[in-house]
Amino acid sequence: RKEVEQDPGPFNVPEGATVAFNCTYSNSASQSFFWYRQDCRKEPKLLMSVYSSGNEDGRFTAQLNRASQYISLLIRDSKLSDSATYLCVVNPGKSNTGKLIFGQGTTLQVKP
Amino acid sequence: GAGVSQTPSNKVTEKGKYVELRCDPISGHTALYWYRQSLGQGPEFLIYFQGTGAADDSGLPNDRFFAVRPEGSVSTLKIQRTERGDSAVYLCASSLTGALSPLHFGNGTRLTVT
Repeated sequence: RKEVEQDPGPFNVPEGATVAFNCTYSNSASQSFFWYRQDCRKEPKLLMSVYSSGNEDGRFTAQLNRASQYISLLIRDSKLSDSATYLCVVNPGKSNTGKLIFGQGTTLQVKP
Repeated sequence: GAGVSQTPSNKVTEKGKYVELRCDPISGHTALYWYRQSLGQGPEFLIYFQGTGAADDSGLPNDRFFAVRPEGSVSTLKIQRTERGDSAVYLCASSLTGALSPLHFGNGTRLTVT
């Protein structure tokens, strides 16, 4: 089983739609979680951290379910510019240093 | 300010040759990561440095791969006896302290082994 798993998609949605991505992780000791965004042929960039109580940044909402070991990202009112690959990232260690494991990524295509 | 710089941006080499990939992190960032990414996949962890030392090299696929960061700044990823399966984009990232700080990635080195 992979350490971090995502549905690769692609998710094709119309502008204005709400779309949700899920990600599961295997190591129950994982401490920190993130969503990164990667545009085609570009480097990944941090979208947002994921906090235990859930957090929101504009149209984006991230949630963590430790019991079920999954993380979600909700995008409301999708824009054409949201088209990208969304990468779920987990620090599997017990400390807050160390490697970050990336999921395969979920591709989102927002259509006019 | 300057971001993470990786050189070369593209490298084509023949099977069996030796290659070196260079990463200049953001000044002051103590943590440095190497990943590789194949088409349609997420970045695959290779090695993580905290300062000069390799804190975690569990992602290096075999002993043909080696990385150094002798002065705690610039890092070099070295691949011996390259194989066609090594072809990928090699990404370097740095962060201020480690896993809780955002990773800043370079543009990557696209390695093609013919």
